This record gives sequence, C-alpha cells and structure tokens, in this order.
Amino acid sequence: EAGVAQSPRYKIIEKRQSVAFWCNPISGHATLYWYQQILGQGPKLLIQFQNNGVVDDSQLPKDRFSAERLKGVDSTLKIQPAKLEDSAVYLCASSLDGGAYTQYFGPGTRLTVL
Amino acid sequence: QKEVEQDPGPLSVPEGAIVSLNCTYSNSAFQYFMWYRQYSRKGPELLMYTYSSGNKEDGRFTAQVDKSSKYISLFIRDSQPSDSATYLCAMSENNAGNMLTFGGGTRLMVKP
Repeated sequence: EAGVAQSPRYKIIEKRQSVAFWCNPISGHATLYWYQQILGQGPKLLIQFQNNGVVDDSQLPKDRFSAERLKGVDSTLKIQPAKLEDSAVYLCASSLDGGAYTQYFGPGTRLTVL
Repeated sequence: QKEVEQDPGPLSVPEGAIVSLNCTYSNSAFQYFMWYRQYSRKGPELLMYTYSSGNKEDGRFTAQVDKSSKYISLFIRDSQPSDSATYLCAMSENNAGNMLTFGGGTRLMVKP
C-alpha cells in the first residue's frame, strides 16, 4: 500500500513570497490533516478535511494560510505572504476513520523562509 | 506551562540497553495516549497506543500509563541502532484525530 505522498520535499523562499504544498493521501482515506512542525516541537494541527469539507480549521492562520481539497482526494496548502516564523516542516496525514490513533503521516515539506 | 512535556534529550544509550522515555501532562481529561517514532527527514509513525490506564506490550516496546500521576512511559528493551530517532508522545481527550496534543519529542541515540 502506497503511503502519503507530499511535494516538494524542500522549499526555500524569501519572506512575503507565496508557497504551495501538495499532498496525496492513502487511497480510500476520507480524512486528511495538515500539521505544522516547528523545529524541536511536536506537530500542531492546522486543518482537517473530511472528504472535501473542512472539519476543523480553528488553528489555521487564515489571514495568510489557505487549504483546499476540491475533489476529496489531493490537497494543497498555501501560504501567502510567508513570514520568517513560518519556517517549519509541513506534514500531511490521512486516516480512514478520523480516529485519534489511525493517522498515517507523509514525509513532510521542509520550508525555510529567509 | 505546556500541556504535554517531554525531555528533548538527546538521550544516548549503548546498544542492548533498556530505554525509558517519558511524558508528563496536565490535562486530566486525556484518555487516549500514543507514541510515535520520527526518523530524521521523515513523518511520525505510530508505534503504540493505549486507552486510559495500564500497560501494553508489543515486541520490544512497552507503553505504560499512570493517570493518577499524569505520566506516561515508553520502554524499549534490547535497544538497537535502528531505534535511533525522535519519539513523540501524543494525547487526546477523545477518539478524534483533530484533538491530538503532541509533546515536543525526545531524541534517542543508540550507539553500537
């Protein structure tokens, strides 16, 4: 079974630029999550989708971050404009049932904002 | 004070040692407890999960939960260099994937 795919794996941008990350979940997984993991910290949930609907985006900085999952499969996360403090690894995870211990994580995209 | 605390390490042990990794937490409503392993440049991978109190064993790994002390542990027996990674604990009040609170992780190095 193929895992969660993410691209790009690494991205370096200047502050105030925009950037987008892509995630392809495990086939059949209806639930998709985006997390931000700052160096030395645990992942922090940004947004959860169930199929193509948003379940929880309470911690998403909506003034600069946006995410979509138009067809209920792939998802993109965008940052515009980026700030220095956005430097982090952005992890995508998917789950068949949305449970607490059924998430499978992708390898992440490491973002550096200069 | 963070809701979930972990010593960041690094914790360095010789191959074959028993490793003890720990998390403390402040929210007494946590019921679901998980341990993830994260290799460098990879995403977290679920190792073990427990519900409420008690012990759970899976091969060389044992997870313990002490809700009275708000303390959870992961023991690794006969540690191997391949166990070198960052170990994250995570907790949730209910069985909902959007409610996980992660610790900051402990970096473990097992030396041959």
